[in-house]
Amino acid sequence: QQQVKQSPQSLIVQKGGISIINCAYENTAFDYFPWYQQFPGKGPALLIAIRPDVSEKKEGRFTISFNKSAKQFSLHIMDSQPGDSATYFCAASGDNNNDMRFGAGTRLTVKP
Amino acid sequence: NAGVTQTPKFQVLKTGQSMTLQCAQDMNHNSMYWYRQDPGMGLRLIYYSASEGTTDKGEVPNGYNVSRLNKREFSLRLESAAPSQTSVYFCASSEFFFAGGVTDTQYFGPGTRLTVL
Repeated sequence: QQQVKQSPQSLIVQKGGISIINCAYENTAFDYFPWYQQFPGKGPALLIAIRPDVSEKKEGRFTISFNKSAKQFSLHIMDSQPGDSATYFCAASGDNNNDMRFGAGTRLTVKP
Repeated sequence: NAGVTQTPKFQVLKTGQSMTLQCAQDMNHNSMYWYRQDPGMGLRLIYYSASEGTTDKGEVPNGYNVSRLNKREFSLRLESAAPSQTSVYFCASSEFFFAGGVTDTQYFGPGTRLTVL
C-alpha cells in the first residue's frame, strides 16, 4: 500500500509554462516533505523540501505548496525549461531517515 | 569529490546466481542506505546503516543481505537472485541518520541496473 500517492504519472508542458505535480500522504506523523529530481541514468537529487510549519517554500523557479489539513503537497515549476525535463519524486518521512516513503514519480517533458 | 559511487552499472544474472553490489561514499557520511526503484513504485528502502557497525532492515529486506564494511563502504548481496529482484538499485548516504529532529539530506549514487533472467 503506497503511503504517498503522486500524480500525474507523466506531464508535457510547453517551454515557459507552469508544471504542477501533486502528492498526497496518509501518515500524519510525516513531517518532512522533499522533492527529488532524477535525470535518465542518474540517481535522484534533492530539489527542494518543506516542513509542515510553513504552507509554501520557494527556491528560484521551484515552489512547494503544502496543505496540512488535506495532507497534500505539490511542486510548481514556473517558466518551465527543456532542461527541467526529468522524473520528479515526492517523498515524506518522519524524524528518521529510515521511514522515507516515495511517490511513484512523474515524468516531466518540457517541449521547446 | 566523487560523492556516492556504485559498481557495477549494469548486471545480468540467471535465477539462483549470487552477486554483490558495491557502494562507496567519500563525504565522510555516517549513514548509508540501499533502495530499489521499480516502475510505478518509487524508491523503496531495502536496508540501511545508521552508523558504522550497524545495519537494519528497511521496507523490503527479503532476499537481501548487507555489510557495512567501513565508514565509506556499504555492500548489498543477493544470495540467490530471483526475477522479482530485477530492478534499479540505488545506494545513498547522509551525514546523520537522525539529525536532532531534522531528517538529513540523502545523496544518491548513479544506480545499478540489475536484470535477473
